[in-house]
Amino acid sequence: DAGVIQSPRHEVTEMGQEVTLRCKPISGHDYLFWYRQTMMRGLELLIYFNNNVPIDDSGMPEDRFSAKMPNASFSTLKIQPSEPRDSAVYFCASRGGLQPQHFGDGTRLSIL
Amino acid sequence: QKEVEQNSGPLSVPEGAIASLNCTYSDRVSQSFFWYRQYSGKSPELIMSIYSNGDKEDGRFTAQLNKASQYVSLLIRDSQPSDSATYLCAVKIQGGYQKVTFGTGTKLQVIP
Repeated sequence: DAGVIQSPRHEVTEMGQEVTLRCKPISGHDYLFWYRQTMMRGLELLIYFNNNVPIDDSGMPEDRFSAKMPNASFSTLKIQPSEPRDSAVYFCASRGGLQPQHFGDGTRLSIL
Repeated sequence: QKEVEQNSGPLSVPEGAIASLNCTYSDRVSQSFFWYRQYSGKSPELIMSIYSNGDKEDGRFTAQLNKASQYVSLLIRDSQPSDSATYLCAVKIQGGYQKVTFGTGTKLQVIP
């Protein structure tokens, strides 16, 4: 039973570069969530989708961030241009119906 | 005031003791409450959920909820070194809105 799969696990890039994070939710789950975790702010919800439709993106910090879910098995979170303050661990989570969220292993992003 | 507040710790307890982790929340219409455990470098893992006032027990874990005081706690009996982790409190408001707000977590250290 495959869990939520995120890629890459680690990303190191220079300021100004485009960064794309990927997520494959658990098959059959209809909700997908993107979170960012830092020491200072903890785990913050950036955006979530229901049946591939973005429902709430109020947590997206600014226009440099965008997220898409073109189908039920794939989502991306893109940062363009990236800045050092975007360095964090980004988690994707999915859930089906009333079940709890299942988190992926996260992407550790470092912007130099 | 933060929506979900936790003492960051670290909370140190000797092996075999009871660890008590506390969380307060600000939104009175909060309906669902969760405790997640996060080991260093890993993703959050759900360990308890509670929806009504009182206690809920699951093995060595007991979640306690007091909605009047807007307070939720987690007790870990017979603490083990393997319980050493950061514990995240999370709150979901009433209704169809799926956003779960997380606290910044309490780091627990169980001393052998």
